[in-house]
Amino acid sequence: GNSVTQMEGPVTLSEEAFLTINCTYTATGYPSLFWYVQYPGEGLQLLLKATKADDKGSNKGFEATYRKETTSFHLEKGSVQVSDSAVYFCAIIIQGAQKLVFGQGTRLTINP
Amino acid sequence: NAGVTQTPKFQVLKTGQSMTLQCAQDMNHEYMSWYRQDPGMGLRLIHYSVGAGITDQGEVPNGYNVSRSTTEDFPLRLLSAAPSQTSVYFCASSYSGTIYFGEGSWLTVV
Repeated sequence: GNSVTQMEGPVTLSEEAFLTINCTYTATGYPSLFWYVQYPGEGLQLLLKATKADDKGSNKGFEATYRKETTSFHLEKGSVQVSDSAVYFCAIIIQGAQKLVFGQGTRLTINP
Repeated sequence: NAGVTQTPKFQVLKTGQSMTLQCAQDMNHEYMSWYRQDPGMGLRLIHYSVGAGITDQGEVPNGYNVSRSTTEDFPLRLLSAAPSQTSVYFCASSYSGTIYFGEGSWLTVV
């Protein structure tokens, strides 16, 4: 089946620290990969995506590279800010389908 | 550009009551879906629709009904609310593999 495993949280960092949130997946087909972010009290927003191997998605200083050989899509940011505090979800869609499969989410807290 | 609109944003129900969460999109997307979000479990698919008149079950459909009479609207009905249905509900529409979410509906069943 299709599944997504994320690094367990919560994750707490200081401002300007380097961030990595690990995400690995299993898929029966060739998936597109996504990171969604949920700020406190809000809905989900698409943060970045990648649709084929070696693609790099980037947005707001965040990056993730589609690694087919390791079935991974780790989220990174070089210098986090307090405003990055949120819950981050890794997700996949199998090509030709429209249903997202989500990881369990990772809560990130950035302290000033 | 409204995107995906969900109502209500907050609702408290008593056990056994019924209610409908409304969802509308103005992007003319064929595919719409409902998810629920529970702590530590990510989002799980309840029901989905690939177009007007067509619906199907997702991962956790029990206790919920849906219908799709128009492309724009995809309401989710709770038939007899239970405390286990306390959750945050997200409606979504999608096109070409990109999913657009509504802002969520926080439901508490007491």
